[in-house]
Amino acid sequence: DQQVKQNSPSLSVQEGRISILNCDYTNSMFDYFLWYKKYPAEGPTFLISISSIKDKNEDGRFTVFLNKSAKHLSLHIVPSQPGDSAVYFCAASRGGSNYKLTFGKGTLLTVNP
Amino acid sequence: GAVVSQHPSRVICKSGTSVKIECRSLDFQATTMFWYRQFPKQSLMLMATSNEGSKATYEQGVEKDKFLINHASLTLSTLTVTSAHPEDSSFYICSARPRTIGTSYGAQHFGDGTRLSIL
Repeated sequence: DQQVKQNSPSLSVQEGRISILNCDYTNSMFDYFLWYKKYPAEGPTFLISISSIKDKNEDGRFTVFLNKSAKHLSLHIVPSQPGDSAVYFCAASRGGSNYKLTFGKGTLLTVNP
Repeated sequence: GAVVSQHPSRVICKSGTSVKIECRSLDFQATTMFWYRQFPKQSLMLMATSNEGSKATYEQGVEKDKFLINHASLTLSTLTVTSAHPEDSSFYICSARPRTIGTSYGAQHFGDGTRLSIL
């Protein structure tokens, strides 16, 4: 049972435009949601997170939106840059479970110059 | 800040060998460290969770006698793949959760992974 789903394996956008990465989850007990960015042969890099009691968190070019009723979150990157090209993983955790992360399968973002 | 160092980055060895992978948090103390495995084109799969000074908690289906985890201090955890076989070949990644979270809710910080190839 896949509790965190990223249904788009890839996304391609033009430099300067907005990138929107989507993620759905099934477990309503998740407390936190996180986005990670991963380059080949490297570990994931933490980008931004949001608590389940909030609906938006912003950090520079990155904004995460959470819609609890729809069990959906999204990551917006504005403006997109070629250096943003990477695999983006959505993850979720429960505070009572040692904050174990459950990951989606990732979305490959390609930002074209 | 929040740097996690994982060593070695790549290992190639013969079947039957035991391999040790180290994970260190360089600039913070880690309450908990995690070990993941990633198969090609798949997500990160959690193998085990370790807290300093206590036994690791393994996920269902992970053989604890095959994958030995030691969390000796707040900055070091090791994963030993014992008597490795070709099916153990994979990308292994560790992560560490800081003692102080701040506003990065639940965040873990990852090492760069170890590519293990068993011949």
